[in-house]
Amino acid sequence: GIQVEQSPPDLILQEGANSTLRCNFSDSVNNLQWFHQNPWGQLINLFYIPSGTKQNGRLSATTVATERYSLLYISSSQTTDSGVYFCAPTSNTGKLIFGQGTTLQVKP
Amino acid sequence: DSGVTQTPKHLITATGQRVTLRCSPRSGDLSVYWYQQSLDQGLQFLIQYYNGEERAKGNILERFSAQQFPDLHSELNLSSLELGDSALYFCASSPGTPYNSPLHFGNGTRLTVT
Repeated sequence: GIQVEQSPPDLILQEGANSTLRCNFSDSVNNLQWFHQNPWGQLINLFYIPSGTKQNGRLSATTVATERYSLLYISSSQTTDSGVYFCAPTSNTGKLIFGQGTTLQVKP
Repeated sequence: DSGVTQTPKHLITATGQRVTLRCSPRSGDLSVYWYQQSLDQGLQFLIQYYNGEERAKGNILERFSAQQFPDLHSELNLSSLELGDSALYFCASSPGTPYNSPLHFGNGTRLTVT
């Protein structure tokens, strides 16, 4: 099955800093989604992005499906951005497969 | 609020017992998914239903079963529970399939097996 690798596994930022999270996947995919799991355990869908670039406030995402990677940009980070960020590509068998996540801590 | 409702929020039970987790999808969503999140395994896909029919199966144990009812709510049944089944169980829903629509997750059911 498809392998998903996220980097870095852990990230500590000072409030106001910018960051880039990366997601590599081993096979061609039909779609990709980014999720944020907050410290209370809730999973929030950030982006549904099969290709190209999308922006939502301070967050943006880019997927280059032909090169099998996606990037999540966080600008001017805030303490509420803390949590775990997951990328989840959709495999050719229609399953949404989650990476192991990047754990982000934003310090005030 | 994602619009996906999971009950109960917490469940504590003993080994060998059977439990049922319930999920109501967002209004209009036809697909329901079940995921298990444990510390050592991460988020594991269990099963997907689309409009009442099983569409995809992941790492779901034989002791586990699920179904989607005509009103589109879904139930996940876990039987002969073991300590290792302790985890956070998420339900998600989408209008269509992961090929063409985003998933939205409920707040999960935290299962503790003692």
